[in-house]
Amino acid sequence: GAVVSQHPSRVICKSGTSVKIECRSLDFQATTMFWYRQFPKQSLMLMATSNEGSKATYEQGVEKDKFLINHASLTLSTLTVTSAHPEDSSFYICSAPAGGQLHEGNIQYFGAGTRLSVL
Amino acid sequence: AQSVTQLGSHVSVSEGALVLLRCNYSSSVPPYLFWYVQYPNQGLQLLLKYTTGATLVKGINGFEAEFKKSETSFHLTKPSAHMSDAAEYFCAVSDSGGYQKVTFGIGTKLQVIP
Repeated sequence: GAVVSQHPSRVICKSGTSVKIECRSLDFQATTMFWYRQFPKQSLMLMATSNEGSKATYEQGVEKDKFLINHASLTLSTLTVTSAHPEDSSFYICSAPAGGQLHEGNIQYFGAGTRLSVL
Repeated sequence: AQSVTQLGSHVSVSEGALVLLRCNYSSSVPPYLFWYVQYPNQGLQLLLKYTTGATLVKGINGFEAEFKKSETSFHLTKPSAHMSDAAEYFCAVSDSGGYQKVTFGIGTKLQVIP
C-alpha cells in the first residue's frame, strides 16, 4: 500500500528556534497534503492544506506566519514551526490522499507523526 | 459542514468480549466514513471505510462497521477483543463530493483487560 514518511519522529528544541518537519509520499504523487496537530487526549485538528506549487490553505485560527508550509514537489511537503514556544509542543501528523482511483474514496495515508517538545 | 461524535472517550472490555465503539456523524451530503486506529506515538492506520455500496464493511484485524443512514451512525465492532486491540480509535467523515478534507471525532481509547 501507499506509504507516507514523516521525519523526524521526535524533536526537542529550545524556545525561539525553528523546527522543520518533512512529509514525503514514497510511492505515489500527492498534489495535496494535509497537516494536523494533535494535543494530548484530543483528536486531530486540521491545520492546513498543502498544495504543490501554490500557497497552503490554513484553517481558521492557525497562524500562517507561525506555521510555514512549503510543497515544492509532488512528493514532499514541509512544515516549519517558526520561533517555537512551549505552547507549540504537540504531535504533528501529515497525510496525503491516494488520488487517481475514484473507488478509493477519500483515503488518507498518514505519516507516523512528529512529537515536538519545546523547552 | 460535517461533524463526528464518538460516545465514550474510554471503553474497557475483557479479552474475548465484544468490542463496540460508537460513532455518529452529521453531514449535509452523502458521507464517506472511516475508522482509524492509532497506537501510542504512531500515526493513524486505516481500519476500514465506507464510500458506497454495501453498508456493512469489513476491515483489518477482524473489525467491521455498519453504515446506518437512518441513524446517522457508523459503529465499529469486533466479536472478540484481543490484547493487541488496545489503542485509540478515531471515527472520521469526509464529504464525498469534496474528496479530501476529513473531520475526525475526538477518539475512543480502548482498554482490553486480560
